[in-house]
Amino acid sequence: AQTVTQSQPEMSVQEAETVTLSCTYDTSESDYYLFWYKQPPSRQMILVIRQEAYKQQNATENRFSVNFQKAAKSFSLKISDSQLGDAAMYFCAYRRSATNKLIFGTGTLLAVQP
Amino acid sequence: DAGVIQSPRHEVTEMGQEVTLRCKPISGHDYLFWYRQTMMRGLELLIYFNNNVPIDDSGMPEDRFSAKMPNASFSTLKIQPSEPRDSAVYFCASSPLQGAAYNEQFFGPGTRLTVL
Repeated sequence: AQTVTQSQPEMSVQEAETVTLSCTYDTSESDYYLFWYKQPPSRQMILVIRQEAYKQQNATENRFSVNFQKAAKSFSLKISDSQLGDAAMYFCAYRRSATNKLIFGTGTLLAVQP
Repeated sequence: DAGVIQSPRHEVTEMGQEVTLRCKPISGHDYLFWYRQTMMRGLELLIYFNNNVPIDDSGMPEDRFSAKMPNASFSTLKIQPSEPRDSAVYFCASSPLQGAAYNEQFFGPGTRLTVL
């Protein structure tokens, strides 16, 4: 069975600094997608960034980028120039291409210090 | 687009009562998902539908839980009878047809259920 592990329950970063959130996953599949979702205090789940496993190039969305290491089954999220609005719970998620089932990690609570 | 709509946003009930959570997916989306979020278990997929048909209900915890999708614009998740351990935030999400490259799931705001 596929699993997603986020080993950092909490992280903290200073405003304008860079922070990296870790995620590892376990799968025997070769075709899948990986996602990072943000859940602010409003509890709305917001998609931050996504990566297709067959793409070697790391995805980037403005200040958000990933480091996708397929062989190591690692998918970390880097937030550059952190802003107060980035404070939230961040979830890493995996989806096998043949299904629509998202499997989530346990989340990392990110605090941004002014 | 109004996004995924869930009601109620908050529900407080007593043990043994029936609870019905409602969801309106984004128009045109073919898939609908029900998730439960708790501190202990995180985010879990309960069930999902494709074109109103349940595809995978392996995450439904027990027979007290049931979900229906009578049409493309409405789904319910019912708990009968409710128990304190059902207290959680329940999310509904929808996504477009499988053919879309990422098949992104769009989440509703969630329903916070408290069973006393």
